[in-house]
Amino acid sequence: EVQLVESGGGLVQPGGSLRLSCAASGFTFSPYWMLWVRQVPGEGLIWVSRINDDGSSTWYADSVKGRFTISRDNAKNTLYLQMNSLRADDTAVYYCVRDSGEGVDYWGQGTLVIVSS
Amino acid sequence: DIVMIQTPLSSPVTLGQPASISCRSSQSLVHSDGNTYLSWLQQRPGQPPRLLIYKISNRFSGVPDRFSGSGAGTDFTLKISRVEVEDVGVYYCMQTTQSPWTFGQGTKVEIK
Repeated sequence: EVQLVESGGGLVQPGGSLRLSCAASGFTFSPYWMLWVRQVPGEGLIWVSRINDDGSSTWYADSVKGRFTISRDNAKNTLYLQMNSLRADDTAVYYCVRDSGEGVDYWGQGTLVIVSS
Repeated sequence: DIVMIQTPLSSPVTLGQPASISCRSSQSLVHSDGNTYLSWLQQRPGQPPRLLIYKISNRFSGVPDRFSGSGAGTDFTLKISRVEVEDVGVYYCMQTTQSPWTFGQGTKVEIK
């Protein structure tokens, strides 16, 4: 069974940093591109970042470019999102998502990030 | 960025009756490889989204056949042939043809 389990969310002050992790299991992690999607509770979905299979290529939404860094460790079957210079409007549930190449086929349960003083 | 517009934003439906959601993109979603990367996602209350349909009309594993997708170019539709209680939630279209990937605003399906 494919599982994606996010961790690392929590309360952080504006300007602070957090690192989210996503532990993947139930499938061979290394061939899959992965992404992060966020959702303010009660609102819609927003794509944040994407990484290719070996981590050599990354893409970011304009709203997080220069502040967030996506990475992966294929030996540990883990995806990361380093979030720096956090702002109040980064408050959201962050989902780890697998990209099958044809669609975003598996989603984690999400981890909540709250940026507040 | 490609803008995805869904209509309606809310759809009250009688149990057992059909429902239809439209999604229109601001530009063609046909990729240079010839495929159209338009997906439909369902988000039940309190749950993460899950994939229903990919590449316009392909049902994902385990998705009931009462869900169907159609369309081409910039206009797409998700249909539920007979709405059941478990179908209550918010439905999103999503394009993965061109970066940045974008979603529709979501359509809330509820029972009348």
